[in-house]
This record gives sequence, C-alpha cells and structure tokens, in this order.
Amino acid sequence: GAVVSQHPSWVICKSGTSVKIECRSLDFQATTMFWYRQFPKQSLMLMATSNEGSKATYEQGVEKDKFLINHASLTLSTLTVTSAHPEDSSFYICSASTADRPSGVDGYTFGSGTRLTVV
Amino acid sequence: DAKTTQPPSMDCAEGRAANLPCNHSTISGNEYVYWYRQIHSQGPQYIIHGLKNNETNEMASLIITEDRKSSTLILPHATLRDTAVYYCIVRAGGYQKVTFGIGTKLQVIP
Repeated sequence: GAVVSQHPSWVICKSGTSVKIECRSLDFQATTMFWYRQFPKQSLMLMATSNEGSKATYEQGVEKDKFLINHASLTLSTLTVTSAHPEDSSFYICSASTADRPSGVDGYTFGSGTRLTVV
Repeated sequence: DAKTTQPPSMDCAEGRAANLPCNHSTISGNEYVYWYRQIHSQGPQYIIHGLKNNETNEMASLIITEDRKSSTLILPHATLRDTAVYYCIVRAGGYQKVTFGIGTKLQVIP
C-alpha cells in the first residue's frame, strides 16, 4: 500500500530557530501533498497544498513567510517553520494524494506526524 | 467538499459492533464517502470509502443510504485498539484538498 514517511517524529527547538520537517512518499509519486496542523484536542487544520515544481497554496490565515513549503520532487515535500515561537508548538501532519497511483483507491495517505515543541 | 455531521463522542463495549453515523445531506453525485481514523498522536489512517454501494474490507463495513445523504461505519467487533477519533469526509476524487471536521471520538470500553 501507499506509504508516507514523515521525519522527524518529534523535535524540540529554541525560540527563534527554524525547524524543517520532511514528508516522503515511499512507494509512489505524489504530485500533490498537503500540510496540516493539529492543536491538542482539536481537529486537523489544513495549512497549505503543495504541488511539485510550483509554489504552495496557503489557506487563509497561514503565514507563508513563516511556514515555508518546498515540493522539489515527486516524492519529497518539506515544511520549514521559521523563527519558531512557543505558539507554533503543535502536531504537524503531511499527506499525499494517491491520485497519481494507477491503482490508488484510498485518496490520501498520511504521515505519522511531527510533534514540535518550541521552548 | 460537502459538509458532514457526526456525533462528537460514542462509547462501545469491547467485542460489540460499533456503529458510527455520518450525515452528509449536501453530497454531490460525484463525491465519495471516506472514513479515516486517528489514534492519539498519530496521523490519520484510511479505513474505507464508497460511492453508493455498501462496502466491506478487513477493517470495517460502510453502509450508505439509498439517497446517499447519510452513512454508517461499522466496526464489527470493536477492540480497545479501535479507540480513536473517526472522521467522515465526502469529496470527489483527484487532488482536491480534504477538510476535516471534529469527527467522532469512539471509546471502546473493556
């Protein structure tokens, strides 16, 4: 089945530093990837849609200069949280559309998530 | 994507069937019903999806009403490991983004 690998699974960083999160589709090519953020006891909130070779599309209220998304290849998308602050502490999750897979039927495959704690 | 309505929480006794309802009265003809679940501190996991026919796989069954305005996810023999938040989503195929609602928090009780 489709597998999406997300790294790191958790990270602690100091306030003001930047953190990069990687999302890889392991056994398929993903033209489109999505990034979500989830605060405790809340649902997933879509942050942006990442398309290979083009600029990401951000949801309203998400700062594009703070959350840098790069989708340079069909198997890798990265999210960089720049100048992180404690309020950026959250659970970040990526997903990849399996529409590219000839036999893809499940729509989306999600990574295991990254727990970011900014101290 | 059509909006869905789910109860915020449900309890189910271990070993019994868990029936999770979802209303999607504004679903369009080309939209599928997808179910995902999220176990605490993990990414969502695909369970099942369907268009208009009932579907069954190794994890669950999906019952869609004839008018497609509602559906029910059935976990035939719930175990403690099925405790999770279950999300019902309706969407067309392809690359469209997915918007999550609050889902149903299923608690399986020993």
